[in-house]
Amino acid sequence: DAGVIQSPRHEVTEMGQEVTLRCKPISGHNSLFWYRQTMMRGLELLIYFNNNVPIDDSGMPEDRFSAKMPNASFSTLKIQPSEPRDSAVYFCASRPPGPKYGYTFGSGTRLTVV
Amino acid sequence: AQTVTQSQPEMSVQEAETVTLSCTYDTSESNYYLFWYKQPPSRQMILVIRQEAYKQQNATENRFSVNFQKAAKSFSLKISDSQLGDTAMYFCALNYGGATNKLIFGTGTLLAVQP
Repeated sequence: DAGVIQSPRHEVTEMGQEVTLRCKPISGHNSLFWYRQTMMRGLELLIYFNNNVPIDDSGMPEDRFSAKMPNASFSTLKIQPSEPRDSAVYFCASRPPGPKYGYTFGSGTRLTVV
Repeated sequence: AQTVTQSQPEMSVQEAETVTLSCTYDTSESNYYLFWYKQPPSRQMILVIRQEAYKQQNATENRFSVNFQKAAKSFSLKISDSQLGDTAMYFCALNYGGATNKLIFGTGTLLAVQP
């Protein structure tokens, strides 16, 4: 299994531009999570999906952030317009059904907004 | 509310020695799952070890073992024969299932293994 695949690995963009981060979860995993990690705030859960349906988006910082999961094998996190304070590492993670399983994380996307 | 607390922001250990990272948690659930994740400088989050609350036996994975004290709500990670590759941020996490069914992470402990 290739694991959770995120792209791109690095993204540098100018303030005001739209940014789209992509994630392919592990086949058979029915839960998908988007996290943001910064030195100041640590790991923050932004949103998570169960069976492609958003369950909890209370961590999405504001309307500039949106996430979709059109099918079981693909999810996107979009920031429009981007701001310098959005600079962070964004992780996608997936998990099989049930709380006893830990998450499998992707390698993350380091976003820099200049 | 479910919480996870890691009170040691940073720790240091000499190569080949043993180190213990602390984690305490709070939950009103009787059945739940606890995890330790490792994040080395490469930033990849790696699952190190998992403990099921209803199992009294402490989990072990090679040089990594836990000391699970359910009554005290404590879940410490012991690393034996520390290696340079163990240098990483370590996160403790809790999942009790329920309606939200998501991991609650601690703030992490940065472990440095010194040669």
